[in-house]
Amino acid sequence: EVQLVESGGGLVQPGRSLRLSCTASGFTFGDYAMSWFRQAPGKGLEWVGFIRSKAYGGTTEYAASVKGRFTISRDDSKSIAYLQMNSLKTEDTAVYYCTRGVAAAGWGQGTLVTVSS
Amino acid sequence: DVVMTQSPLSLPVTLGQPASISCRSSQSLVYSDGNTYLNWFQQRPGQSPRRLIYKVSNRDSGVPDRFSGSGSGTDFTLKISRVEAEDVGVYYCMQGTHWPVTFGQGTKVEIK
Repeated sequence: EVQLVESGGGLVQPGRSLRLSCTASGFTFGDYAMSWFRQAPGKGLEWVGFIRSKAYGGTTEYAASVKGRFTISRDDSKSIAYLQMNSLKTEDTAVYYCTRGVAAAGWGQGTLVTVSS
Repeated sequence: DVVMTQSPLSLPVTLGQPASISCRSSQSLVYSDGNTYLNWFQQRPGQSPRRLIYKVSNRDSGVPDRFSGSGSGTDFTLKISRVEAEDVGVYYCMQGTHWPVTFGQGTKVEIK
């Protein structure tokens, strides 16, 4: 069974940084791309970005709203995907989820990031 | 970006009756490999999203067979054959054919 656990959320001031982690189990992590999504309070779902597996170059794609500020990376030896968030804005306030692949099979419980002064 | 338009946005249904949600894309979702990357998600109140359907019509493991997906090109539908109380929540369509990945606005299903 695919299990994903996000962590690292919290309250942060605008302009500061935060790193989220997604710890995976139940599948061969290195074989899969990993995605991050978010959901602002009371709003719909938004795709944040994606990292391909090493077999496909480990390259990344990002939504325009976060490109240049957010970076996705992965440590296949630990089965962890990361979301490094820099220059945070109040509009980045959301629950952040990681999923397996772009097709989003399997979601964690999410981690809340609140950007506020 | 591909715009995904769902209708209706609110769907009051009677227990045991069918329900249908439409999702239309601003351009074809057929990828160069011949697949159509259109998925449906359910988000129950207070819970994380859960994928129900992938590639238009494939049900995920554990999803009741009262849920079905259909469609092609730019026009897609999620149907619930007989709504149960546990089906209350918000349903989203999502396309993964074109970058960036985009979602519909969500359809809130509630019991009358």
